[in-house]
Amino acid sequence: QLQLQESGPGLVKPSETLSLTCSVSGGSISSETYYWGWVRQPPGRGLEWLGNILYSGTTYYNPSLKSRVTISIETSRTQFSLKMDSVTAADTAVYFCANGLFDSYKTWGQGTLVTVSS
Amino acid sequence: QSALTQPASVSGSPGQSITISCSGSNSDIGGYDYVSWYQQHPGKAPKLMIYDVTNRPSGVSDRFSGSKSGNTASLTISGLQAEDEADYYCSSYSVTATKGVLFGGGTKLTVL
Repeated sequence: QLQLQESGPGLVKPSETLSLTCSVSGGSISSETYYWGWVRQPPGRGLEWLGNILYSGTTYYNPSLKSRVTISIETSRTQFSLKMDSVTAADTAVYFCANGLFDSYKTWGQGTLVTVSS
Repeated sequence: QSALTQPASVSGSPGQSITISCSGSNSDIGGYDYVSWYQQHPGKAPKLMIYDVTNRPSGVSDRFSGSKSGNTASLTISGLQAEDEADYYCSSYSVTATKGVLFGGGTKLTVL
């Protein structure tokens, strides 16, 4: 059974770069059928799609965040990553990694809270 | 990209049926049969309940069903149970400047 686990700093300073990793276990990261994605949820608010990546490295980003977000995949280490530049308090959220079709995710990580504060 | 529009809250009594709507545009819900619904309990990750408008992943109760008409999608839950109380989010494939995914703002379901 596919399992995902997010990891990374829980506190990031304003203007710095947020970096998170999603470790994949119980399944293959090398499928070209399924997408690996990132979704975030500010405290008490709704879900926001950040982007997807395929095993080949092809990426798709939320247009409103595209200039600040980079998603990459490390197949040898069975993990994929999220980087978000120039963060502000508005980027404080629970960040989820997920797997599924382009627009529907069947498998989710448990989520990790990232707080942006000095 | 604007979020899809959902009612903030709905409620129903055990055994009843409820429907949650999700409104979009021709660039998302109206243009493609790629609407999904998620259930999220407090402090938990979302759980996929419906994908491709009407399909249920294995293990999801058949009390949950999805539909679409024009630019509006709907999730119906029949035979409400206490465990159904949660937040529900719709999502849709979207093509504006580039292809992506839009989420709705979420609907809080209260089982009375």
